[in-house]
Amino acid sequence: EVQLVESGGGLVQPGRSLRLTCVVSGFTFDDYAMQWVRRAPGKGLEWVAGISWNGDTTAYADSVRGRFVISRDNTKNSLYLQMNGLSAEDTAFYYCAKSRAVAARFDNWGQGTQVTVSS
Amino acid sequence: SYVLTQPPSLSVAPGQTARISCEGGSIGSKSVNWFQQKPGQAPVLVVYADSDRPSGIPERFSGSNSGNTATLIISRVEAGDEADYFCQVWDTTTDWVFGGGTTVTVL
Repeated sequence: EVQLVESGGGLVQPGRSLRLTCVVSGFTFDDYAMQWVRRAPGKGLEWVAGISWNGDTTAYADSVRGRFVISRDNTKNSLYLQMNGLSAEDTAFYYCAKSRAVAARFDNWGQGTQVTVSS
Repeated sequence: SYVLTQPPSLSVAPGQTARISCEGGSIGSKSVNWFQQKPGQAPVLVVYADSDRPSGIPERFSGSNSGNTATLIISRVEAGDEADYFCQVWDTTTDWVFGGGTTVTVL
C-alpha cells in the first residue's frame, strides 16, 4: 500500500524557519518525482515545489522561490521542505504527493501537516 | 501567469448530473487533472489527462476539455460526492496551476 506521511508542522513565529518531512513507503521512492502542495484556511490548493527523482531538477512557485528549498534523500525514502523567512501567508496545511515526473500528474497524497505562522 | 477560473460553488440534487467548469486560455491544448478533497482529508485524483480515471474511481466521474473550458462531470450524484473540486494544469511558464476550487453541495 502506498503511504506518504508528513511531519514537522507546528506553530512558528514570523521570520523563523521550519523543515517539513515526508516519509514514504509502498513504492520505489527513487522511481518518482515528488511535490509539495499547500492549502491555506479558506483558500484553495496551491502548488509549492517539485523535485525530480534524483534531485537534479527542482521547481518552485513564485510565492516561495528564494525562501523554500525542496530536497530528498532516496536512501531514507524521505522528502523535505526547508521553509525560511516564514510569514502569516505561509499558514496552511502542507501535503506531499508523488508523481512520475515534475510535470506529471499527482497520483497519491499524504494526509498533510499543519503549519501556523503567528507571533 | 496562467490562471484557471472555477465557479466557487455548485448545488445539485441526488441522482442528477453535476458539471464543474474550469476556464483558462486555450486550456483545450493542455492536459487537465481534477482532484476531489473532502473536509479533513487529503486530495484525491479523480480524473487525469482531461478524461481518464485512475483505478478505483467510479465511472460516474468523467471529464472533457475543449477551447477555453474543461469540465468535470459527475453523473448520478450521491451524498458522498460532497467535496471541494480543483482543476489543475501544467503550464510551461507558471509550472503547476490549480483552479480556485468549486464546493459541491448535494441538496
